[in-house]
Amino acid sequence: AQTVTQSQPEMSVQEAETVTLSCTYDTSESNYYLFWYKQPPSRQMILVIRQEAYKQQNATENRFSVNFQKAAKSFSLKISDSQLGDTAMYFCAFVSNYQLIWGAGTKLIIKP
Amino acid sequence: GAGVSQSPRYKVAKRGQDVALRCDPISGHVSLFWYQQALGQGPEFLTYFQNEAQLDKSGLPSDRFFAERPEGSVSTLKIQRTQQEDSAVYLCASSLGTSGLDEQFFGPGTRLTVL
Repeated sequence: AQTVTQSQPEMSVQEAETVTLSCTYDTSESNYYLFWYKQPPSRQMILVIRQEAYKQQNATENRFSVNFQKAAKSFSLKISDSQLGDTAMYFCAFVSNYQLIWGAGTKLIIKP
Repeated sequence: GAGVSQSPRYKVAKRGQDVALRCDPISGHVSLFWYQQALGQGPEFLTYFQNEAQLDKSGLPSDRFFAERPEGSVSTLKIQRTQQEDSAVYLCASSLGTSGLDEQFFGPGTRLTVL
């Protein structure tokens, strides 16, 4: 079975700190993409960052970066210089064929 | 429009009623997805359309759930004889291509509450 596990239901950090959200997954596929999506309170899901499984280089998007460990099936998200607007639910997901398989999410709270 | 839109945003139904949820994808997007998101959970896949063809409906939880996209654009998710366990946010997403690896753009969701 293909699964995604996010072991941190909730995290809280001070503004400007760095925070890392964990994600592990299980799949027998060899070609897949991994994603982190953000769902702010009462707002729609938006893509934060994407990683192609065949690429060894970790993806980076401004303050957001990933640590992709393919052998360990681990895909963590690092947010640097966290901002109040980063407060949201964060979902890790991977796509196999066209289906997105999602984790349960991590609620991230950035405190002023 | 600029993004994916869904209507209504909120729907309250009495148990046993039928409901219809609408999704307007981004213009030109070939692929359309429906997801169900229970409170405090991640979304779960319901069904997938490529243009007007429903290629996968394996995630639909029962035969009370039906989805269509007759002209390859707007899609409707219909739930017949609603039950309390159907209460959830229903998300629609669209993507430009058909590879499955394209970014999916999400609508704001319809929050369905069944009393």
